[in-house]
Amino acid sequence: AQSVTQLDSHVSVSEGTPVLLRCNYSSSYSPSLFWYVQHPNKGLQLLLKYTSAATLVKGINGFEAEFKKSETSFHLTKPSAHMSDAAEYFCVVSARGNNRLAFGKGNQVVVIP
Amino acid sequence: DVKVTQSSRYLVKRTGEKVFLECVQDMDHENMFWYRQDPGLGLRLIYFSYDVKMKEKGDIPEGYSVSREKKERFSLILESASTNQTSMYLCASSPGTDPSFYGYTFGSGTRLTVV
Repeated sequence: AQSVTQLDSHVSVSEGTPVLLRCNYSSSYSPSLFWYVQHPNKGLQLLLKYTSAATLVKGINGFEAEFKKSETSFHLTKPSAHMSDAAEYFCVVSARGNNRLAFGKGNQVVVIP
Repeated sequence: DVKVTQSSRYLVKRTGEKVFLECVQDMDHENMFWYRQDPGLGLRLIYFSYDVKMKEKGDIPEGYSVSREKKERFSLILESASTNQTSMYLCASSPGTDPSFYGYTFGSGTRLTVV
């Protein structure tokens, strides 16, 4: 079975400062990991994914995440927050060959002007 | 780009009504999923289907059923709507080859209110 822990359900950042969203996972097998973003009243959009290639993954809108197997982590970062980054972010894990994904509870990000 | 289309963005239904939520995808994906999303609870899997006429229960199937008569369409049915089914419903699809590699593509969601 796989699971994801996202601490800090609400995160406030000032515009122009770095964003860090933490994700720790548990998986019995080699995991695939994803970050999704959800803007208000919208569906989920894929930001980036890790599938056993490079451990540093770059996504859309300037986000990136680093897979660290020793720490079972997949933290999401962005050097400089923009107002449009205000949204909810979900870390997701899946074991290879498993068609079910396990979602974290999400981080609600507020960007302060 | 894959598109997953949910027929309604907002729905208001009365308690006891039979409710159909429709989802259509246009990229020939084998797998389709229905989730509900509630504040503080995240996304919870209701049902999924990995082929036409196939379905499997997710984590919270009670009070719901599904139908998949065609590959592109996956319907969620609330047999007798209740107020505790007020929620955001999200449909998703993924390729059958290795969905853990591709992730899911989500629709925009249907916000259902049962009064």
